Amino acid sequence: GEDVEQSLFLSVREGDSSVINCTYTDSSSTYLYWYKQEPGAGLQLLTYIFSNMDMKQDQRLTVLLNKKDKHLSLRIADTQTGDSAIYFCALVNQAGTALIFGKGTTLSVSS
Amino acid sequence: DADVTQTPRNRITKTGKRIMLECSQTKGHDRMYWYRQDPGLGLRLIYYSFDVKDINKGEISDGYSVSRQAQAKFSLSLESAIPNQTALYFCATGGINYNEQFFGPGTRLTVL
Repeated sequence: GEDVEQSLFLSVREGDSSVINCTYTDSSSTYLYWYKQEPGAGLQLLTYIFSNMDMKQDQRLTVLLNKKDKHLSLRIADTQTGDSAIYFCALVNQAGTALIFGKGTTLSVSS
Repeated sequence: DADVTQTPRNRITKTGKRIMLECSQTKGHDRMYWYRQDPGLGLRLIYYSFDVKDINKGEISDGYSVSRQAQAKFSLSLESAIPNQTALYFCATGGINYNEQFFGPGTRLTVL
C-alpha cells in the first residue's frame, strides 16, 4: 500500500542547517507537501513542490525532490529556536481523495 | 487557523458516553476531513466529505460516524467512547488548487 516514511527526531544547534528526509512508495501525487505543527497547534502548510520539479526554494526553506529514489527533503537554513516543531511530509493518495502523512519528524533546536 | 474552528478544544469523558466534535470553516471549501493524531503514529484519516451529500470512510472509521450538516460544517461523533479513542482530533478543509489542506487547532479528547 501507500506509505510515507520519516525519521522521528532531529536535533540541531541554532544557526545550523536542518535537513528532514522523507521517502514514499507511491509516486502518482502531483504535489508533495511539508506541514509544520507547533506545540499545541494544528498543522500548517509550510511549502509544497510540484512533482515535475527537482527543487523549490522559499526564503530559508529548500525542498528537494528525487523522483527516481522517491525521496523528498526539507532543508531549513540558519535554523532558529522558533523552528522547533514537528514536520510532516505528505502526498496525495492514488485515488486522489486524501493526503497520506508521514509520522512526523520532531525538530529540536538548541541555543 | 482561524478559518477552521473546532469545538470543544478539550474534552474529558467516560467510557460508553456519546461525544460529538464539531468543525466549522469559512474558507468556502467543499472538501472536509477528520483525522486523529496519536504520538508516533502521525495523522490517520477517519472520514472525509467532498460535498454535503458525500461521506466517505477513511483508514480508521470504525467506532466513529460523521455528519455534514452544511458546506461549512462537518461533525464527528463517537457513539460509545472507549479509552483507545483518546487522541488529538483534527478537522481540515481541502483546497483544489494544489490539493492542499487547512487544519483546525484540534480537539484533545480523553476517554477515561
